[in-house]
Amino acid sequence: DAKTTQPPSMDCAEGRAANLPCNHSTISGNEYVYWYRQIHSQGPQYIIHGLKNNETNEMASLIITEDRKSSTLILPHATLRDTAVYYCIVRDNQGGKLIFGQGTELSVKP
Amino acid sequence: DAMVIQNPRYQVTQFGKPVTLSCSQTLNHNVMYWYQQKSSQAPKLLFHYYDKDFNNEADTPDNFQSRRPNTSFCFLDIRSPGLGDAAMYLCATSTGQIQETQYFGPGTRLLVL
Repeated sequence: DAKTTQPPSMDCAEGRAANLPCNHSTISGNEYVYWYRQIHSQGPQYIIHGLKNNETNEMASLIITEDRKSSTLILPHATLRDTAVYYCIVRDNQGGKLIFGQGTELSVKP
Repeated sequence: DAMVIQNPRYQVTQFGKPVTLSCSQTLNHNVMYWYQQKSSQAPKLLFHYYDKDFNNEADTPDNFQSRRPNTSFCFLDIRSPGLGDAAMYLCATSTGQIQETQYFGPGTRLLVL
């Protein structure tokens, strides 16, 4: 079973920041938080991952709380092409399999 | 560009008629995965190969088999498709190392008539 809880859907205005929350209260010390997204009719796409420090790359930022029980994916300037289902996944550092939860369907509106 | 390729993008088969879906990769990755994604659901791992070692998920039906003849290719065989097997089938690859990222293909959508 997935170890994460996400809101089923969110809206965001184009050009604004999209903040997608994820709860993972049972995460253990050697487990990473991964984010993938899936645009309609395409395969999932890796976005970012982290252990306990905040991470940033060209796509997004990942903020992990100090107790590691929750995290937030931030898309700083959402565009219409960011409309997708976003999956938050907890995974052990030995390269454990991806167990997808239901994800958050993000709709970016003009 | 290095990539994961799935052909065809759409496959129609008849109830009970064996069907094979194919996946190829130019990434030279050690691990290849097959996921099933039914409508409005999340992807679910069926099995994976680490090189030639096959790893089946405990709840994957026997109706689903896989072959990996070489590093680049992996096949998903459905021996007797039922209506409930209609889904998107996603292939993914990874290096198999710690913190590795999985790279997904575009998927093959299977329709069972």
